[in-house]
Amino acid sequence: TQLLEQSPQFLSIQEGENLTVYCNSSSVFSSLQWYRQEPGEGPVLLVTVVTGGEVKKLKRLTFQFGDARKDSSLHITAAQPGDTGLYLCAGAKAGNNRKLIWGLGTSLAVNP
Amino acid sequence: NAGVTQTPKFQVLKTGQSMTLQCAQDMNHEYMSWYRQDPGMGLRLIHYSVGAGITDQGEVPNGYNVSRSTTEDFPLRLLSAAPSQTSVYFCASRGPQGSTGELFFGEGSRLTVL
Repeated sequence: TQLLEQSPQFLSIQEGENLTVYCNSSSVFSSLQWYRQEPGEGPVLLVTVVTGGEVKKLKRLTFQFGDARKDSSLHITAAQPGDTGLYLCAGAKAGNNRKLIWGLGTSLAVNP
Repeated sequence: NAGVTQTPKFQVLKTGQSMTLQCAQDMNHEYMSWYRQDPGMGLRLIHYSVGAGITDQGEVPNGYNVSRSTTEDFPLRLLSAAPSQTSVYFCASRGPQGSTGELFFGEGSRLTVL
Protein backbone atom coordinates (compact mmCIF):
# COMPACT_ATOMS: atom_id res chain seq x y z
CA THR A 1 0.00 0.00 0.00
CA GLN A 2 1.45 3.31 -1.11
CA LEU A 3 0.68 5.76 1.68
CA LEU A 4 2.09 8.79 -0.13
CA GLU A 5 0.74 9.45 -3.60
CA GLN A 6 2.73 11.80 -5.78
CA SER A 7 1.36 13.48 -8.89
CA PRO A 8 2.03 13.86 -11.64
CA GLN A 9 4.38 10.93 -12.19
CA PHE A 10 6.07 12.60 -15.15
CA LEU A 11 6.25 16.22 -16.21
CA SER A 12 8.00 17.71 -19.23
CA ILE A 13 7.92 21.49 -19.55
CA GLN A 14 9.73 24.36 -21.25
CA GLU A 15 12.18 26.60 -19.48
CA GLY A 16 10.41 29.51 -17.81
CA GLU A 17 7.13 27.71 -17.09
CA ASN A 18 5.67 27.28 -13.63
CA LEU A 19 4.68 23.93 -12.17
CA THR A 20 3.25 22.30 -9.08
CA VAL A 21 3.73 18.76 -7.87
CA TYR A 22 1.68 17.15 -5.18
CA CYS A 23 2.20 14.66 -2.38
CA ASN A 24 -1.05 13.35 -0.90
CA SER A 25 -2.05 10.92 1.79
CA SER A 26 -5.01 9.91 3.93
CA SER A 27 -2.63 9.61 6.88
CA VAL A 28 -1.33 12.33 9.17
CA PHE A 29 2.42 12.89 9.27
CA SER A 30 4.44 14.58 11.97
CA SER A 31 6.83 15.92 9.35
CA LEU A 32 7.37 15.72 5.63
CA GLN A 33 10.50 16.08 3.58
CA TRP A 34 11.14 16.81 -0.09
CA TYR A 35 14.22 15.43 -1.83
CA ARG A 36 15.59 15.86 -5.35
CA GLN A 37 17.47 13.06 -7.06
CA GLU A 38 19.57 13.49 -10.18
CA PRO A 39 20.49 10.57 -12.45
CA GLY A 40 23.23 8.37 -10.99
CA GLU A 41 23.12 10.06 -7.59
CA GLY A 42 21.39 9.68 -4.28
CA PRO A 43 18.49 11.91 -3.16
CA VAL A 44 19.39 15.26 -1.61
CA LEU A 45 17.17 17.00 0.93
CA LEU A 46 15.46 20.21 -0.22
CA VAL A 47 13.25 21.00 2.77
CA THR A 48 11.51 19.66 5.87
CA VAL A 49 8.07 20.91 6.93
CA VAL A 50 6.68 20.13 10.35
CA THR A 51 3.77 22.52 11.07
CA GLY A 52 0.33 22.32 9.43
CA GLY A 53 -0.07 25.19 6.96
CA GLU A 54 3.65 25.88 6.92
CA VAL A 55 5.12 27.49 3.80
CA LYS A 56 8.85 27.42 3.07
CA LYS A 57 10.68 29.02 0.19
CA LEU A 58 13.96 27.97 -1.33
CA LYS A 59 14.78 30.46 -4.11
CA ARG A 60 12.23 29.63 -6.86
CA LEU A 61 10.82 26.64 -4.99
CA THR A 62 7.86 27.03 -2.62
CA PHE A 63 6.85 24.17 -0.34
CA GLN A 64 3.57 23.95 1.56
CA PHE A 65 2.42 21.51 4.23
CA GLY A 66 -1.35 21.01 4.38
CA ASP A 67 -3.28 22.30 7.36
CA ALA A 68 -4.16 18.76 8.41
CA ARG A 69 -0.59 17.53 7.77
CA LYS A 70 -1.82 14.94 5.26
CA ASP A 71 -0.49 16.51 2.09
CA SER A 72 2.15 18.79 0.66
CA SER A 73 2.91 20.64 -2.54
CA LEU A 74 6.01 21.90 -4.30
CA HIS A 75 5.69 24.86 -6.65
CA ILE A 76 8.52 25.87 -8.96
CA THR A 77 8.45 29.31 -10.53
CA ALA A 78 10.18 29.93 -13.86
CA ALA A 79 11.65 26.45 -14.12
CA GLN A 80 15.20 26.08 -15.38
CA PRO A 81 16.98 23.05 -16.94
CA GLY A 82 18.91 22.69 -13.68
CA ASP A 83 15.61 21.83 -11.95
CA THR A 84 15.44 18.59 -13.93
CA GLY A 85 15.34 15.53 -11.69
CA LEU A 86 13.22 13.18 -9.64
CA TYR A 87 11.34 14.90 -6.80
CA LEU A 88 10.54 12.64 -3.86
CA CYS A 89 8.43 13.30 -0.80
CA ALA A 90 8.90 11.34 2.42
CA GLY A 91 6.77 11.47 5.55
CA ALA A 92 7.42 10.52 9.15
CA LYS A 93 4.57 9.26 11.27
CA ALA A 94 4.26 10.26 14.91
CA GLY A 95 5.89 7.73 17.21
CA ASN A 96 7.82 6.03 14.39
CA ASN A 97 10.71 8.18 13.26
CA ARG A 98 12.86 5.23 12.20
CA LYS A 99 10.99 4.40 8.99
CA LEU A 100 10.05 7.11 6.53
CA ILE A 101 7.13 6.63 4.14
CA TRP A 102 8.21 7.47 0.59
CA GLY A 103 6.26 8.56 -2.46
CA LEU A 104 7.19 7.13 -5.87
CA GLY A 105 8.37 10.50 -7.11
CA THR A 106 7.68 13.02 -9.86
CA SER A 107 10.15 12.93 -12.74
CA LEU A 108 10.60 16.48 -14.04
CA ALA A 109 12.27 17.41 -17.31
CA VAL A 110 12.80 21.09 -18.07
CA ASN A 111 13.68 21.65 -21.70
CA PRO A 112 15.77 24.67 -22.77
CA ASN B 1 33.70 16.16 3.44
CA ALA B 2 33.22 12.57 2.32
CA GLY B 3 29.70 12.14 3.82
CA VAL B 4 28.33 8.68 2.97
CA THR B 5 30.57 6.48 0.84
CA GLN B 6 29.34 3.33 -0.89
CA THR B 7 31.38 0.70 -2.65
CA PRO B 8 31.28 -0.76 -5.20
CA LYS B 9 29.39 1.55 -7.57
CA PHE B 10 28.66 -1.26 -10.01
CA GLN B 11 28.59 -5.04 -9.58
CA VAL B 12 27.44 -7.98 -11.69
CA LEU B 13 26.76 -11.28 -9.93
CA LYS B 14 25.59 -14.69 -10.98
CA THR B 15 22.61 -16.27 -9.24
CA GLY B 16 23.71 -17.88 -5.99
CA GLN B 17 26.84 -15.80 -5.50
CA SER B 18 27.36 -13.79 -2.35
CA MET B 19 28.68 -10.28 -1.91
CA THR B 20 28.83 -7.37 0.50
CA LEU B 21 27.94 -3.77 -0.27
CA GLN B 22 30.00 -1.45 1.87
CA CYS B 23 28.77 1.79 3.45
CA ALA B 24 30.79 4.20 5.56
CA GLN B 25 29.92 7.63 6.96
CA ASP B 26 32.18 10.16 8.61
CA MET B 27 29.51 12.35 10.25
CA ASN B 28 29.25 10.38 13.51
CA HIS B 29 25.60 9.58 12.73
CA GLU B 30 23.89 7.01 14.91
CA TYR B 31 21.17 6.14 12.38
CA MET B 32 22.11 4.30 9.20
CA SER B 33 19.94 2.53 6.68
CA TRP B 34 19.88 0.62 3.42
CA TYR B 35 17.31 1.20 0.67
CA ARG B 36 16.73 -0.33 -2.71
CA GLN B 37 15.26 1.69 -5.56
CA ASP B 38 13.36 0.02 -8.38
CA PRO B 39 11.29 1.51 -11.22
CA GLY B 40 7.65 1.78 -10.19
CA MET B 41 8.42 0.72 -6.63
CA GLY B 42 10.27 3.74 -5.31
CA LEU B 43 12.63 3.65 -2.37
CA ARG B 44 12.10 0.69 -0.06
CA LEU B 45 13.81 0.27 3.30
CA ILE B 46 15.75 -2.99 3.68
CA HIS B 47 17.40 -2.72 7.11
CA TYR B 48 18.32 0.06 9.46
CA SER B 49 20.42 0.64 12.57
CA VAL B 50 20.09 3.18 15.37
CA GLY B 51 23.56 2.58 16.73
CA ALA B 52 26.46 0.18 16.98
CA GLY B 53 25.23 -3.31 17.80
CA ILE B 54 21.58 -2.49 17.02
CA THR B 55 19.88 -3.41 13.75
CA ASP B 56 16.29 -3.90 12.69
CA GLN B 57 14.31 -4.94 9.64
CA GLY B 58 12.71 -2.58 7.21
CA GLU B 59 10.07 -3.19 4.58
CA VAL B 60 11.93 -5.73 2.41
CA PRO B 61 14.58 -7.53 4.54
CA ASN B 62 14.42 -11.03 3.04
CA GLY B 63 17.66 -12.12 1.37
CA TYR B 64 19.76 -9.46 3.07
CA ASN B 65 21.83 -9.40 6.26
CA VAL B 66 23.37 -6.46 8.08
CA SER B 67 25.58 -5.84 11.07
CA ARG B 68 26.78 -2.67 12.82
CA SER B 69 30.02 -3.20 14.68
CA THR B 70 31.10 0.46 14.51
CA THR B 71 29.31 3.81 14.24
CA GLU B 72 30.95 4.45 10.88
CA ASP B 73 30.22 1.25 8.94
CA PHE B 74 27.02 -0.53 7.95
CA PRO B 75 27.63 -3.31 5.38
CA LEU B 76 24.81 -5.05 3.53
CA ARG B 77 25.32 -8.74 2.73
CA LEU B 78 23.62 -10.78 0.04
CA LEU B 79 24.21 -14.42 0.96
CA SER B 80 22.79 -16.02 -2.20
CA ALA B 81 21.98 -13.48 -4.88
CA ALA B 82 18.78 -13.80 -6.92
CA PRO B 83 17.72 -11.95 -10.09
CA SER B 84 14.99 -10.23 -8.02
CA GLN B 85 17.78 -8.46 -6.15
CA THR B 86 18.84 -6.60 -9.28
CA SER B 87 18.44 -3.00 -8.18
CA VAL B 88 20.14 0.23 -7.19
CA TYR B 89 21.06 0.20 -3.51
CA PHE B 90 21.42 3.32 -1.40
CA CYS B 91 22.92 3.71 2.04
CA ALA B 92 21.69 6.68 4.08
CA SER B 93 22.53 8.12 7.47
CA ARG B 94 20.88 10.65 9.73
CA GLY B 95 21.99 12.75 12.67
CA PRO B 96 20.36 13.10 16.09
CA GLN B 97 17.41 15.25 14.97
CA GLY B 98 15.08 12.27 14.72
CA SER B 99 12.51 12.14 11.97
CA THR B 100 13.04 15.77 10.95
CA GLY B 101 16.74 15.27 10.42
CA GLU B 102 18.19 15.18 6.93
CA LEU B 103 18.91 11.79 5.44
CA PHE B 104 22.31 11.84 3.76
CA PHE B 105 22.50 9.36 0.89
CA GLY B 106 25.45 7.74 -0.77
CA GLU B 107 25.79 7.75 -4.55
CA GLY B 108 24.32 4.27 -4.87
CA SER B 109 25.51 0.81 -5.85
CA ARG B 110 24.04 -0.63 -9.03
CA LEU B 111 23.75 -4.41 -8.76
CA THR B 112 22.84 -6.79 -11.58
CA VAL B 113 22.17 -10.46 -10.83
CA LEU B 114 22.20 -12.73 -13.86
